[in-house]
Amino acid sequence: DGGITQSPKYLFRKEGQNVTLSCEQNLNHDAMYWYRQDPGQGLRLIYYSQIVNDFQKGDIAEGYSVSREKKESFPLTVTSAQKNPTAFYLCASGDARKVNTGELFFGEGSRLTVL
Amino acid sequence: QQQVKQSPQSLIVQKGGISIINCAYENTAFDYFPWYQQFPGKGPALLIAIRPDVSEKKEGRFTISFNKSAKQFSLHIMDSQPGDSATYFCAATTLYTDKLIFGTGTRLQVFP
Repeated sequence: DGGITQSPKYLFRKEGQNVTLSCEQNLNHDAMYWYRQDPGQGLRLIYYSQIVNDFQKGDIAEGYSVSREKKESFPLTVTSAQKNPTAFYLCASGDARKVNTGELFFGEGSRLTVL
Repeated sequence: QQQVKQSPQSLIVQKGGISIINCAYENTAFDYFPWYQQFPGKGPALLIAIRPDVSEKKEGRFTISFNKSAKQFSLHIMDSQPGDSATYFCAATTLYTDKLIFGTGTRLQVFP
């Protein structure tokens, strides 16, 4: 089945630890995105990538890092520098020809809790 | 300028009623307005979208109304069903950007 797979679904982390969230897609999409979702704040863009080996900061990139070594994969690392990392993280992808029409496909999310 | 303001934050509707969610924007460069539906524990999924040259778009029980002069758009869910209970996000983008700007979301609960 085509789609976006995020893992793990739930993750617990101690303060001061880095953690990496996985996002894989088999939709052959060029564009991939990471959003953070907090109650009452909607979806906020962390990083996005339009092509392999290139990515741009979104609105809340501080404390996060990404890589795009393969078209299918766009992992997100939540570093210890992120002040408030507990959140629901969503990965999305889109056809570069259609992305600016708002058509994104989302994974099921990863819920990170910092203890 | 880049914000999309969404209201209400939560909405409770009886089965068969009409659910109405409103959004407003400032950036006149926005030219595409999608709505996403998100069920608990899942990622959002595209529900319906509209361009500003159209005042209304209907797909089944879901209708988007667009008021370009007021820079407002809304989602109407007719004959609301318990299965419509979800969080709804409006969003906006332009043809010249790769970013989708989301509203803050509306949690809809439809009771039998």
